[in-house]
Amino acid sequence: GAGVSQSPSNKVTEKGKDVELRCDPISGHTALYWYRQSLGQGLEFLIYFQGNSAPDKSGLPSDRFSAERTGGSVSTLTIQRTQQEDSAVYLCASSLDSRADYEQYFGPGTRLTVT
Amino acid sequence: GENVEQHPSTLSVQEGDSAVIKCTYSDSASNYFPWYKQELGKRPQLIIDIRSNVGEKKDQRIAVTLNKTAKHFSLHITETQPEDSAVYFCAGGGTSYGKLTFGQGTILTVHP
Repeated sequence: GAGVSQSPSNKVTEKGKDVELRCDPISGHTALYWYRQSLGQGLEFLIYFQGNSAPDKSGLPSDRFSAERTGGSVSTLTIQRTQQEDSAVYLCASSLDSRADYEQYFGPGTRLTVT
Repeated sequence: GENVEQHPSTLSVQEGDSAVIKCTYSDSASNYFPWYKQELGKRPQLIIDIRSNVGEKKDQRIAVTLNKTAKHFSLHITETQPEDSAVYFCAGGGTSYGKLTFGQGTILTVHP
């Protein structure tokens, strides 16, 4: 079946502009995670959804970052007033359930470049 | 919160040799430790995982060991092949839900 998809694959934006990144999880997966991967770094947890609720937003770097999930499916990560330090690959992952030992399936990522 | 340290950051081996990547974690409550492989330009993919109720798990050429007392776990790849070249990430989690804390990654290069 279809895996996790993300769009756009690449986004170049000017400093100060807002951007929206989209994630389509695997159908039927109730848990959804957003991570950020900076060049040469590991994956940094941003936010987690169980259904449409976000029980843990602790990883969001600042109040410029927000995310929502609708219909228990598609999720959007929004970055307002982008800064150069926001440049990174944003990865989305979904899993069948929020239990810790359920495999997380990753999307291909969105590479964000803030100029 | 959890902190995961991974070593080495780069590892270069000859085809056929073994490769070992080590990770330490800080939260003794963590009970799930997956390893992901990320090829250049591709998404991370789970290659093996281990739960805290076992000390070792093996799947063909790859194995993972876990020492709960010392809070470290390792990935072992035997008979390495050029297609094993990738970035490998360890992670720890499981204290509540699926939030994973990742190590910084190891760039493995297998020379033919």
